[in-house]
Amino acid sequence: DAMVIQNPRYQVTQFGKPVTLSCSQTLNHNVMYWYQQKSSQAPKLLFHYYDKDFNNEADTPDNFQSRRPNTSFCFLDIRSPGLGDAAMYLCATSRLAGTGTTEAFFGQGTRLTVV
Amino acid sequence: AQKVTQAQTEISVVEKEDVTLDCVYETRDTTYYLFWYKQPPSGELVFLIRRNSFDEQNEISGRYSWNFQKSTSSFNFTITASQVVDSAVYFCALSELNYGGATNKLIFGTGTLLAVQP
Repeated sequence: DAMVIQNPRYQVTQFGKPVTLSCSQTLNHNVMYWYQQKSSQAPKLLFHYYDKDFNNEADTPDNFQSRRPNTSFCFLDIRSPGLGDAAMYLCATSRLAGTGTTEAFFGQGTRLTVV
Repeated sequence: AQKVTQAQTEISVVEKEDVTLDCVYETRDTTYYLFWYKQPPSGELVFLIRRNSFDEQNEISGRYSWNFQKSTSSFNFTITASQVVDSAVYFCALSELNYGGATNKLIFGTGTLLAVQP
């Protein structure tokens, strides 16, 4: 019954080696978000898609990119991971409902380790 | 600027005690949402409640209750008769609405780690 699915749950990558994290949803929500959560910190929004419109946060490094090929899937690409990019990456979705936007539904996250 | 403050970094209680988690927010918007999420050790963020800025009614759901006071910009969360399974990090969040309210950027507080001892 998983609604927001992130793969893999754990990812180890080498310093500087491109890595892609994936997120899929079965909710048919039109908004998808990527958050970065470093150890013992609050999640921080990197970017989000409203349908096909991409919205980057002003302080998101250029090293982070995203793709949304269709409603169900969204990818986070880290072009050259550094040690400081080790974190939990959380995908979330929401949709516009009659009373406004719904709450965000989160996946289980992908914990990225950079070695 | 939008900001959420959770002053309590860690709280430790014994099972069956009541506990209140504090949340204070800052925003210039007149329309906004406030949320509480639970993050157990497994990592996913579990939605607990959403409250919009025009609804100051307090809410109770089982052992959970929320007190929203716009006058003090606070949205506090109380767990009654705490249980070991309540142990987690709890995040308060404020939404920033874009696209006329269609998207929901969450600004999180730093979280409160609740440890419930048996």
